[in-house]
Amino acid sequence: NAGVTQTPKFQVLKTGQSMTLQCAQDMNHNSMYWYRQDPGMGLRLIYYSASEGTTDKGEVPNGYNVSRLNKREFSLRLESAAPSQTSVYFCASSEGTGVIYEQYFGPGTRLTVT
Amino acid sequence: AQTVTQSQPEMSVQEAETVTLSCTYDTSESDYYLFWYKQPPSRQMILVIRQEAYKQQNATENRFSVNFQKAAKSFSLKISDSQLGDAAMYFCAYRRSGSSNTGKLIFGQGTTLQVKP
Repeated sequence: NAGVTQTPKFQVLKTGQSMTLQCAQDMNHNSMYWYRQDPGMGLRLIYYSASEGTTDKGEVPNGYNVSRLNKREFSLRLESAAPSQTSVYFCASSEGTGVIYEQYFGPGTRLTVT
Repeated sequence: AQTVTQSQPEMSVQEAETVTLSCTYDTSESDYYLFWYKQPPSRQMILVIRQEAYKQQNATENRFSVNFQKAAKSFSLKISDSQLGDAAMYFCAYRRSGSSNTGKLIFGQGTTLQVKP
């Protein structure tokens, strides 16, 4: 049982390049989330998917797109990377959006945009 | 909008002693949950403890306990008998309850805890 997995673990991009961060969970969870972590700011929600087939913006969605490919997978795409997107990205999943459901986090992806 | 503030960027404690990490939050809602997460150097986010706002009793998980003061909007974490493995960044987080809940967690800035042998 791997929980939440993310690929890649590290990535360096040049400004303007695009890439997709992959996230998968094997817990049959309905809800999935993407957060970014910046020094001194904690984690902030980028996008979330309450259930398969739905996605919604979080606190900081600009410059990102997401795809809920199926129940297991939720990808985050940077179309044209900018230095301001240098961050650590976390994917999380939970059984549902109800507050009783714990969110389980992946190991994170450290992204550097030069 | 809800906000969570951790005013202590860094704390240190001697092994086996007790340390308290502070957290304050701002919300106009009456029903919500509060959490403390631990992030060790591995970056893995680990849920330490949770508190339901409607419960007056403070949550406890082994060596970890909280002091929840709803009127003051304060939610501190006490770690007793500190161990070297407790060294990590700790995040306080808020999550609204009710039908409008999206599952979104709102995090504080984090407190780095150093444990000295």
